[in-house]
Amino acid sequence: QKEVEQDPGPLSVPEGAIVSLNCTYSNSAFQYFMWYRQYSRKGPELLMYTYSSGNKEDGRFTAQVDKSSKYISLFIRDSQPSDSATYLCAMSASFGGYQKVTFGTGTKLQVIP
Amino acid sequence: GAVVSQHPSRVICKSGTSVKIECRSLDFQATTMFWYRQFPKQSLMLMATSNEGSKATYEQGVEKDKFLINHASLTLSTLTVTSAHPEDSSFYICSARGPPRGPGNTIYFGEGSWLTVV
Repeated sequence: QKEVEQDPGPLSVPEGAIVSLNCTYSNSAFQYFMWYRQYSRKGPELLMYTYSSGNKEDGRFTAQVDKSSKYISLFIRDSQPSDSATYLCAMSASFGGYQKVTFGTGTKLQVIP
Repeated sequence: GAVVSQHPSRVICKSGTSVKIECRSLDFQATTMFWYRQFPKQSLMLMATSNEGSKATYEQGVEKDKFLINHASLTLSTLTVTSAHPEDSSFYICSARGPPRGPGNTIYFGEGSWLTVV
């Protein structure tokens, strides 16, 4: 079993839809959760970061963490064609010094105008 | 915010030659940098962790002698692909742990380097 599971998609939605992207994980030591967006042929770009359980909102993006279920989500409201990219979840047990970050395989999102 | 620069963005080399890729943290000191490899339509694969002033820590299955990593300063790590072969053609991405004042001391990525070995 992989430490982090993420549906690879692709996920196609019409412009303006609410998008839900999810990851599950098995390592209960994970406390820091990140979402990255990667456009084709580019390096990943940090979108959201959360610590432990709870919600965090930034503009059209909301990140949720449910540690009891080992489940994290990224919601995109009013999706735009420019949101079309691959979204990677990432998580680690702690920060500082060397700490391995484990990535999901990424979900490819396509927002259709 | 924290910026990580990677150079070159694209490189084509002949089989058997060596190629060096640089990763720089532009506005912060990064004691730890990471090197990844990504094949088309696949996720990031961690190759090694580069610690300033010490030997890199390689992931299982990654050849240390083939992928030489040097982290000589707090802002620069280099990956050298030695005796490159066509199967080494891939997208190589570096990342650095951000400054403590940043959002949770998280990971920032470079733009990536496309290596094509012909």
